[in-house]
Amino acid sequence: QVQLVQSGAEVKKPGASVKVSCKASGYTFTHFGITWVRLAPGQGLEWMGWISVYNGNTNYAQNLEGRVSLTTDTSTTTAFMELRRLSSDDTAIYYCARDSMGGTANIDFWGQGTLVTVSS
Amino acid sequence: DVVLTQSPLSLPVTLGQPASISCRSSQSLVYSDGNTYLNWFQQRPGQSPRRLIYKVSNRDSGVPDRFSGSGSGTDFTLKISRVEAEDLGVYYCMHGTHWPPGYSFGQGTKLEIK
Repeated sequence: QVQLVQSGAEVKKPGASVKVSCKASGYTFTHFGITWVRLAPGQGLEWMGWISVYNGNTNYAQNLEGRVSLTTDTSTTTAFMELRRLSSDDTAIYYCARDSMGGTANIDFWGQGTLVTVSS
Repeated sequence: DVVLTQSPLSLPVTLGQPASISCRSSQSLVYSDGNTYLNWFQQRPGQSPRRLIYKVSNRDSGVPDRFSGSGSGTDFTLKISRVEAEDLGVYYCMHGTHWPPGYSFGQGTKLEIK
């Protein structure tokens, strides 16, 4: 069965970086993409970006461009989301989700979420 | 940019009664391939989101048939024919394609007991 298992909770100081992993299993990793979404306290879901595992193409939300990087490691079927220059506004639960290879929001399976807390 | 506007943002319901959520887009969501990539997600408290409906009206496997999606162009609706206790949570419409800028979520509609 398809599973996406994310890394554990993180606590970071303002200005630091965080890297969240998402281990995929149960399907052919390179045939799909991975989308990242976050949910901040009291807010709605926010799309962060998408990566094609097949060729590494990415598309990032404009408000995060320059601070976020999405990568994958096909040898370990793991996707990564790195967010730099953290502020308290980045405190949120971060989710990875399986998406289509072509980026058409065909999001069908989700990870369990990773809580990132940014606090001095 | 595509902006999705949901209404209402809060939806008090009586168990057993129907519920309806609207999602309006700032521009047509019909993609160049003829498809409309409009999805509906449910997020229960403390859980990851779960897709209910894809491409406007297609129900995901395991989703009860009391959930239905409809609409076209810029106006879309999620309907629950008879609300059950397990349906409580926040519902989001979401659109894909139109790179840039990428995907968009509606603000979310909180379904709660009246």
